[in-house]
Amino acid sequence: GENVEQHPSTLSVQEGDSAVIKCTYSDSASNYFPWYKQELGKRPQLIIDIRSNVGEKKDQRIAVTLNKTAKHFSLHITETQPEDSAVYFCAASSTISNFGNEKLTFGTGTRLTIIP
Amino acid sequence: DADVTQTPRNRITKTGKRIMLECSQTKGHDRMYWYRQDPGLGLRLIYYSFDVKDINKGEISDGYSVSRQAQAKFSLSLESAIPNQTALYFCATSDLTTQYFGPGTRLTVL
Repeated sequence: GENVEQHPSTLSVQEGDSAVIKCTYSDSASNYFPWYKQELGKRPQLIIDIRSNVGEKKDQRIAVTLNKTAKHFSLHITETQPEDSAVYFCAASSTISNFGNEKLTFGTGTRLTIIP
Repeated sequence: DADVTQTPRNRITKTGKRIMLECSQTKGHDRMYWYRQDPGLGLRLIYYSFDVKDINKGEISDGYSVSRQAQAKFSLSLESAIPNQTALYFCATSDLTTQYFGPGTRLTVL
């Protein structure tokens, strides 16, 4: 089965600086890579995702890059703000028949702290 | 985000007791999941269901069972709770890609 490793487990950055979280996956059939954000005491929520036919995707201050050859993908947050403090989870999935990418394997999470 | 609800939200029980966690959704999704979250271990899949007649084991199904009573309802049972099942449990639903999580149930087994 798929195995997803995520680093670092904790990350502290000064407000305004950039943060990068990295993940590697093992299954070459994986073709969908979402990132979820979990604020303290809240449920995880999707913030951005990327498919294997795309190398990079941006949404305002967040971006995700994918290197299929190396089997790794990264989350980049620029101009960090206090509200970016949360736990971030990467995940990987392969398409199940004609159904889509419903079965995700999650990384172990990165606790990001933004220092004012 | 009341589309996915879980009951109870918090539960303290004793070793050996049977406990059921319930999940309901109004999103109309066929696909539902139960995850367990532990510090440093991320979200681990316990069971998943792609429709009412479909139940599949996830990576950590031992000690758990599930019931899909209807499209909107998916219950997780611990037949005989043990302390290492103390964790935060999330139910989720999905369309073809995005997973929508419930608010979580914090379970403590003494």
